[in-house]
Amino acid sequence: QQPVQSPQAVILREGEDAVINCSSSKALYSVHWYRQKHGEAPVFLMILLKGGEQKGHDKISASFNEKKQQSSLYLTASQLSYSGTYFCGTPNAGNMLTFGGGTRLMVKP
Amino acid sequence: DAGVIQSPRHEVTEMGQEVTLRCKPISGHDYLFWYRQTMMRGLELLIYFNNNVPIDDSGMPEDRFSAKMPNASFSTLKIQPSEPRDSAVYFCASSPAGTSGYRAKNIQYFGAGTRLSVL
Repeated sequence: QQPVQSPQAVILREGEDAVINCSSSKALYSVHWYRQKHGEAPVFLMILLKGGEQKGHDKISASFNEKKQQSSLYLTASQLSYSGTYFCGTPNAGNMLTFGGGTRLMVKP
Repeated sequence: DAGVIQSPRHEVTEMGQEVTLRCKPISGHDYLFWYRQTMMRGLELLIYFNNNVPIDDSGMPEDRFSAKMPNASFSTLKIQPSEPRDSAVYFCASSPAGTSGYRAKNIQYFGAGTRLSVL
């Protein structure tokens, strides 16, 4: 079952903040976040492994609410370089990831 | 390390032709994944291997698609015969061994992708 991401797209001005949500209809034990810039491959951002965990990378951070089966990615004071499509991924019992449909983020000057 | 290497980067072919996409994973990685990405369907997992053995091929769309991993440093995805609806970007990714399961820490490293156009 594919996790659901929202919003599907967001347009920001430089310096503005954004939140991207990822939710699952089944139990969620961990969440992976990736970013894909236009014409490039997806690149790993971070993994959240425990409920309540929060992580940060530069001005991009994420939280994971295991009970609510959801994770959120926070982009603070966005920069032009943040533009791209953000994917959450949920692992199964093996080692495969099921990716959400993606959230397209565009940061304008 | 050079990362995951895919070839060719672009492939244009005519309907009915055979297409072979190639992937060299990062040395030492035990897992290899093949994905297809389209605007309509997003990023779809086609098949993945563990130690050269196919583990889950439930994402392979139909019998026209096949994948092999003859050794730890090489994998192919073949489409025969190709159809216009196969046009997409195909990514290969590899992941190291380690924990598996729902709390797997294994990061997937993607290749640059092959953009396939079937006319």
